Amino acid sequence: DGGITQSPKYLFRKEGQNVTLSCEQNLNHDAMYWYRQDPGQGLRLIYYSQIVNDFQKGDIAEGYSVSREKKESFPLTVTSAQKNPTAFYLCASSIHQSGGAVNEQFFGPGTRLTVL
Amino acid sequence: GEDVEQSLFLSVREGDSSVINCTYTDSSSTYLYWYKQEPGAGLQLLTYIFSNMDMKQDQRLTVLLNKKDKHLSLRIADTQTGDSAIYFCAESIPGAGNMLTFGGGTRLMVKP
Repeated sequence: DGGITQSPKYLFRKEGQNVTLSCEQNLNHDAMYWYRQDPGQGLRLIYYSQIVNDFQKGDIAEGYSVSREKKESFPLTVTSAQKNPTAFYLCASSIHQSGGAVNEQFFGPGTRLTVL
Repeated sequence: GEDVEQSLFLSVREGDSSVINCTYTDSSSTYLYWYKQEPGAGLQLLTYIFSNMDMKQDQRLTVLLNKKDKHLSLRIADTQTGDSAIYFCAESIPGAGNMLTFGGGTRLMVKP
């Protein structure tokens, strides 16, 4: 089955620690995205990548870092510099990202991060 | 600027129609989307509409687009308890890298 997976589903972190969230897709998609979801605020874009070894900051990149060493994988690190990291994190992927084409994004099941 | 707005909550009775509304500000949007999110899960694309269309129908779903008023709606006919979820509208704008901008989501509650 083709799809996009995220792990773990729940993650607990002590304040001051870095933590890495996993995102893997076997859809052969070029573009991948990380969003943060807070109640009543919809989704906000953290980082995105259109191609391997390249990524761009989204609207709320401060305190986060990413890498894109493989097409299938786009891990997100939440660093200790992120002041309010408790949230639901969603990863997505899509075929097309540029121009005026439809940008149909496929989402993973999400990781809920709680900082203790 | 980019801004997509939705009402927070909608409650309907099973069997009734639901209408979820969305407004957006950027007239250069090329596509508008409706996503569904069930509790604790990711988003699932329900449908999308190209900006030069007024209406799109897909089984129980009807999307209406009023480009003049920048208003998008999603009508769900014969709403079922399984339709209870959060519904997000989104737009993509070529000039903004074709990124999706999401509204805050409307929580639909279907009462039996």
